[in-house]
Amino acid sequence: DTGVSQDPRHKITKRGQNVTFRCDPISEHNRLYWYRQTLGQGPEFLTYFQNEAQLEKSRLLSDRFSAERPKGSFSTLEIQRTEQGDSAMYLCASSLVSREGPEAFFGQGTRLTVV
Amino acid sequence: AQSVTQLDSQVPVFEEAPVELRCNYSSSVSVYLFWYVQYPNQGLQLLLKYLSGSTLVKGINGFEAEFNKSQTSFHLRKPSVHISDTAEYFCAVSVSGSARQLTFGSGTQLTVLP
Repeated sequence: DTGVSQDPRHKITKRGQNVTFRCDPISEHNRLYWYRQTLGQGPEFLTYFQNEAQLEKSRLLSDRFSAERPKGSFSTLEIQRTEQGDSAMYLCASSLVSREGPEAFFGQGTRLTVV
Repeated sequence: AQSVTQLDSQVPVFEEAPVELRCNYSSSVSVYLFWYVQYPNQGLQLLLKYLSGSTLVKGINGFEAEFNKSQTSFHLRKPSVHISDTAEYFCAVSVSGSARQLTFGSGTQLTVLP
């Protein structure tokens, strides 16, 4: 078990460019979540998948954001036409639905800076 | 909808002193409760969770928390802190039985002073 892995760890991009982040969850976990964390704030929910199905999206997830989880394995989060307000830490988490209840394991995050 | 309030944004404390980080939540349904710790430029690590049963929950690194349903609180405590406990601490809730997304508080920065 290597934990949740996110790539890249840091990304600097110019305003208007597209960026894509990748998340590899813990292999047996069937749920995968994306959160966004801005400076001095707690993480805010963006979206989650159960296997390959995207079951819920937050209102924070504007039309410029899209997430996929093909084959229920890794996930990608794409931001099109980035804006300075998109600068944040993007966190991925995974969990296994079980009788013991949920426990989300977080990756180390991708820090996006839009200049 | 659920919400979480962490009343203290910063808590400075001397090494080996006790500490309490406060968390209150609001929800119209039953919830699970969690405390996570975040070190600089890192992801979040689970300290402890309350799902059901005993209201006193013990976690890693000597932390514990007590669920108080009447006061809708889930305060985190440690009897003696170390320099290495310096970090940001987040309280979070999720709806019981759903294993759905977490709603986080805004965090408490714990700084342990020598």
